[in-house]
Amino acid sequence: AQSVTQPDIHITVSEGASLELRCNYSYGATPYLFWYVQSPGQGLQLLLKYFSGDTLVQGIKGFEAEFKRSQSSFNLRKPSVHWSDAAEYFCAVGASGGSYIPTFGRGTSLIVHP
Amino acid sequence: DTAVSQTPKYLVTQMGNDKSIKCEQNLGHDTMYWYKQDSKKFLKIMFSYNNKELIINETVPNRFSPKSPDKAHLNLHINSLELGDSAVYFCASSPGTGGQPQHFGDGTRLSIL
Repeated sequence: AQSVTQPDIHITVSEGASLELRCNYSYGATPYLFWYVQSPGQGLQLLLKYFSGDTLVQGIKGFEAEFKRSQSSFNLRKPSVHWSDAAEYFCAVGASGGSYIPTFGRGTSLIVHP
Repeated sequence: DTAVSQTPKYLVTQMGNDKSIKCEQNLGHDTMYWYKQDSKKFLKIMFSYNNKELIINETVPNRFSPKSPDKAHLNLHINSLELGDSAVYFCASSPGTGGQPQHFGDGTRLSIL
């Protein structure tokens, strides 16, 4: 069965610092990979997705992620964090096929210090 | 113009009651989902419908019954509410099945007294 691991429950960074959130997945074939962000009191918003092709994908709000098949990872990065980036971040894995069950990681809470 | 809208946003009720949550999407998507998010933010899929047909039903008590009158609507009815049902319930939609990017509603916070 597929699974997603986000090893960091909380990450604290200073405003302006760089950010990397880790995500490891387990899936038998090439997965579809996603990062979502959840601000307090709101639903999840898609930041970026990887289906195929270039392994470095750009998303909204200045985020990017790199798919590394050899490491089964899809880490999210941002060069300079803004206070408004404080939120919960979820990595998710998907695949083609009607019977596929979307699987989310447990989330990483990003705290931004001024 | 809200893409995925859920009502109500908050629902406070007593144990044993029956309640419904409604969801509508105006994105023209074929697939809709219900998720439950617990107090630790863990997001677990409950149901998924594709063109009004149930395609995912994940070990959810049969007190929970989804209904999809058309592909733009997916409602969730819960009978005999229990304390453990307290959570935030999210509706989502996607263009198709199989883990496509999803659009989420803002959630319904259900509190059982």
